Amino acid sequence: DTGVSQDPRHKITKRGQNVTFRCDPISEHNRLYWYRQTLGQGPEFLTYFQNEAQLEKSRLLSDRFSAERPKGSFSTLEIQRTEQGDSAMYLCASSPTGPSEKLFFGSGTQLSVL
Amino acid sequence: QKEVEQNSGPLSVPEGAIASLNCTYSDRVSQSFFWYRQYSGKSPELIMSIYSNGDKEDGRFTAQLNKASQYVSLLIRDSQPSDSATYLCAVNPLGGNTGKLIFGQGTTLQVKP
Repeated sequence: DTGVSQDPRHKITKRGQNVTFRCDPISEHNRLYWYRQTLGQGPEFLTYFQNEAQLEKSRLLSDRFSAERPKGSFSTLEIQRTEQGDSAMYLCASSPTGPSEKLFFGSGTQLSVL
Repeated sequence: QKEVEQNSGPLSVPEGAIASLNCTYSDRVSQSFFWYRQYSGKSPELIMSIYSNGDKEDGRFTAQLNKASQYVSLLIRDSQPSDSATYLCAVNPLGGNTGKLIFGQGTTLQVKP
């Protein structure tokens, strides 16, 4: 199965530490998205890439957050100086080339900031 | 006012019944509408998309769109216990080629045997 893969599945960290998550999209998909989901809420858009270009960032994405997709394949999301409010599920999704709004989500990375 | 609103539920229906899930959205120019299913502890999975007013059927699922009233609904016929999940309504306000979606908070559906 070549679905969207995310690593790690779970991350527990102390407040103030930096964390980095990785996402490997479906190989033929050129668009990659990061969403964040808290308990009882729907996913919230954070940012998206088309190939290696980061085309849009949400206002939710403070300057402590940075995302990269250096070669247009996998992506990383880094959170610096984590805060307890950063605790959430971080979901990666990808979509095919061409007109498409159909997202294929990975299993997510559950972040807990203590 | 939230951009996409759903009743969080839980909505409880007996096995074999029709489950009706509703969603309203605030941006009148929204073009594309989606229903995702999310099992507990899992990621969202697309089950229906709809772009035009009216009904769209896919197996036991029917999506309904009314742009004048700004609502989208999902009907699940012959509900099964395996349909128990959270159903997320998502809207793309601008349409086009991006997956930048606005999600509602989701409605939890419980199908009782």
